[in-house]
Formats: sequence, structure tokens, C-alpha cells
Amino acid sequence: EADIYQTPRYLVIGTGKKITLECSQTMGHDKMYWYQQDPGMELHLIHYSYGVNSTEKGDLSSESTVSRIRTEHFPLTLESARPSHTSQYLCASSGALPPYEQYFGPGTRLTVT
Amino acid sequence: AQTVTQSQPEMSVQEAETVTLSCTYDTSESNYYLFWYKQPPSRQMILVIRQEAYKQQNATENRFSVNFQKAAKSFSLKISDSQLGDTAMYFCAFMNYGGATNKLIFGTGTLLAVQP
Repeated sequence: EADIYQTPRYLVIGTGKKITLECSQTMGHDKMYWYQQDPGMELHLIHYSYGVNSTEKGDLSSESTVSRIRTEHFPLTLESARPSHTSQYLCASSGALPPYEQYFGPGTRLTVT
Repeated sequence: AQTVTQSQPEMSVQEAETVTLSCTYDTSESNYYLFWYKQPPSRQMILVIRQEAYKQQNATENRFSVNFQKAAKSFSLKISDSQLGDTAMYFCAFMNYGGATNKLIFGTGTLLAVQP
């Protein structure tokens, strides 16, 4: 079944650690997105990708980085986690044809202590 | 720049009743989609309904329907026969598909509680 997956679902980690949040999709979509969802529930786009080897920063500045080496895989990395990075991170993907609907993963809830 | 405004942070409705969630947006673009997404507590965000801007007819999906007023830039969601499973955060979202990005611009959300 085509779907979008995120691991881990929950992560508690200490300040200064390097972390990678995984996102994979089996939907064959070219476009992928990372959103940050703050405690007030607002969603902000932090990274997106049109396809392999294509990545762009989103509307909200983020210290995280992303890579897109394979179509189905779009990991997000924080080199040195800080308490300000505590948030929920949602991954999404969409096809290249209308209506360009975005499908969301279950999210990773990150807590940096 | 496009903006999406949801003026109702929280709403409550009795089971089996009807509720309307409001959304307004601002854009100078002509080619766009509007969406309502639902995020249940601790669960995945899913699409509820979408509306193409060039279509005058309001979209309907079972108990969910929209009132799309293009000139007023309004896009409200009506939920009929509310069920306990409708309890969730609802996000209104805008997408301009004239560019290559197809980014979603989200409103701040409305937390809907369906009471038994």
C-alpha cells in the first residue's frame, strides 16, 4: 500500500546531539516537504524538494538541513540539537499533476532537553 | 504574499448537529486550490476536501461541504451530522499552482470538539 512513513515517531535527546529524522514515501511522488508544527499547532514550511538532488529552504528559517539522494527518501538532519528545536516535524509528498494534493506522514515529535 | 486566516481558534458542537468553520484568504493569484485538512489528536493529517478556484460549484464529500465565495475570498467548511470522530484540529490551506513549488500556506487552525 502506498504511504508515507516517518521515524522515529517520538524522540527525546540531549542538547548538542546530532539527529536525523527519516521520511520515506512509496507513492512515487517527485515533490517532498518538511513542515515544523509548533505547540500552538501552526504549520510552517522549512524545506522542500522537487526531485532527486533538488532541495530548497522554505518560508521559516531553520537550522536543519535536508538531502534528496533517492526519490523516495527525504531525511532531515540537525547537526547540534537545541531546546529551541523542540517541535513536531511533519513530512509530506505530492505528485506532479493536479490537484497536487499533499499526503502527510504521522510526524516526529522531537524534544530536546 | 498569500495569507490564510482562521478566526475561530476553538469550536464545540453537539453530536449530530451541524457546524461551520470559517476561513478567509488573501491572494492576487488566479490559479489556486483551497484545502481543508484534518489532524485528529496524535494522528496523521488527512485531506478532508479541496476546491479548485476556477470551479464555481462548491465541493462536497459526504458530510463535508464548502461554501466558496471567490470574490469575498472566503472558504468555509460545513460539517453535517457531526460525529465524535470529527474531533480534531482543522486547517484551511491555500496552494498557488501557477509556480513550480506547489507550497501549502496554512491557517492557524480551528480546534473542533464534538460533544456526546
